[in-house]
Amino acid sequence: DARVTQTPRHKVTEMGQEVTMRCQPILGHNTVFWYRQTMMQGLELLAYFRNRAPLDDSGMPKDRFSAEMPDATLATLKIQPSEPRDSAVYFCASGLVAGGTGELFFGEGSRLTVL
Amino acid sequence: DAKTTQPPSMDCAEGRAANLPCNHSTISGNEYVYWYRQIHSQGPQYIIHGLKNNETNEMASLIITEDRKSSTLILPHATLRDTAVYYCIVSGSSGNTGKLIFGQGTTLQVKP
Repeated sequence: DARVTQTPRHKVTEMGQEVTMRCQPILGHNTVFWYRQTMMQGLELLAYFRNRAPLDDSGMPKDRFSAEMPDATLATLKIQPSEPRDSAVYFCASGLVAGGTGELFFGEGSRLTVL
Repeated sequence: DAKTTQPPSMDCAEGRAANLPCNHSTISGNEYVYWYRQIHSQGPQYIIHGLKNNETNEMASLIITEDRKSSTLILPHATLRDTAVYYCIVSGSSGNTGKLIFGQGTTLQVKP
């Protein structure tokens, strides 16, 4: 049963520390998305990639966030330095968009707490 | 992508049909209507999508009005496990970027 895998599931860190979240998209999917969810803002789109190339990262705070896809099986979201306001659940999603149904498959999320 | 409007919350009795409305009056001709749901603490889950025809799958039915300005998601026999936040999203054609912009959704509470 294919699924999007995210690590870590939970992370507690102190302000100023670097945080890296990883995502393994479903094999064969060509588009990967990063979302962030908080109670106040709901689900926000941070960035997304098509065939490993960044399409849009306008939703990310540029000074501290970076997203990459070093290869087709790995997407990373890095925060450096982390701040308490970055506390949220971060979701990765993948899909076969071009010529596909447009359905996105979401991972179970990485819950980040920055103290 | 067009904006959607959904009621913030709804209740439904277990075993009855749940009808969740969505308004998308500014939808354009090549935009699809997608429905996702999010059960507490889990990632969003795809339910169904459509362009202008009504659609049905094993989870739900999607009814889109002829002018495409509104739609209704129907869960035919709601169970307690259908309690979740339901998101109606309008997005570009399936061959487009595929990005989804989530609103606040409708919290559906299925009661015994």
